[in-house]
Amino acid sequence: GENVEQHPSTLSVQEGDSAVIKCTYSDSASNYFPWYKQELGKGPQLIIDIRSNVGEKKDQRIAVTLNKTAKHFSLHITETQPEDSAVYFCAASIVNTGFQKLVFGTGTRLLVSP
Amino acid sequence: AAGVIQSPRHLIKEKRETATLKCYPIPRHDTVYWYQQGPGQDPQFLISFYEKMQSDKGSIPDRFSAQQFSDYHSELNMSSLELGDSALYFCASSLRGPNTDTQYFGPGTRLTVL
Repeated sequence: GENVEQHPSTLSVQEGDSAVIKCTYSDSASNYFPWYKQELGKGPQLIIDIRSNVGEKKDQRIAVTLNKTAKHFSLHITETQPEDSAVYFCAASIVNTGFQKLVFGTGTRLLVSP
Repeated sequence: AAGVIQSPRHLIKEKRETATLKCYPIPRHDTVYWYQQGPGQDPQFLISFYEKMQSDKGSIPDRFSAQQFSDYHSELNMSSLELGDSALYFCASSLRGPNTDTQYFGPGTRLTVL
């Protein structure tokens, strides 16, 4: 089955710096790659997603890139702010009879210091 | 905008007891997914339903069962609870279709088994 690896497990940056989180996936059939932000005690919140027919997508300070050949995708956060501190999960979807269950990476704890 | 609703938010049970978790998807969403998240871990897919039919199954123990009702809400029934079942249980919902199948997560139910 699909396996998603995520690095780094923890990331500390200063406010205003950029943060990059990287994920690799194993199943070349995966075609949907969302990123979720999870704050303590809360449910994962979708922040951006990308589909396999697109190489890059940007939404204000957040961008995601996808390299299908290498089977990896990355999250880029620019001008980080303390409120960006949270655990970030990447995920990949496996299409199975038309329904997409998510396989998550192990998460990255991002800490943005003022 | 309306979000996924889960109840109860917190649940404490003894070993060998049963528990029922409820999920109310975003209005018009037809697909429901259940995930289990252990402490410090990523969410693990359990089971999903589309139009009241089971659509996919993951690492769900035989002691657990679930269903989706005519109003699209879903219930996860857990029997013979074990200490290892203590976790956060998330429900996510989506609308089936190309480019509309983004999964939105609820706030979760924290189950503690004593």
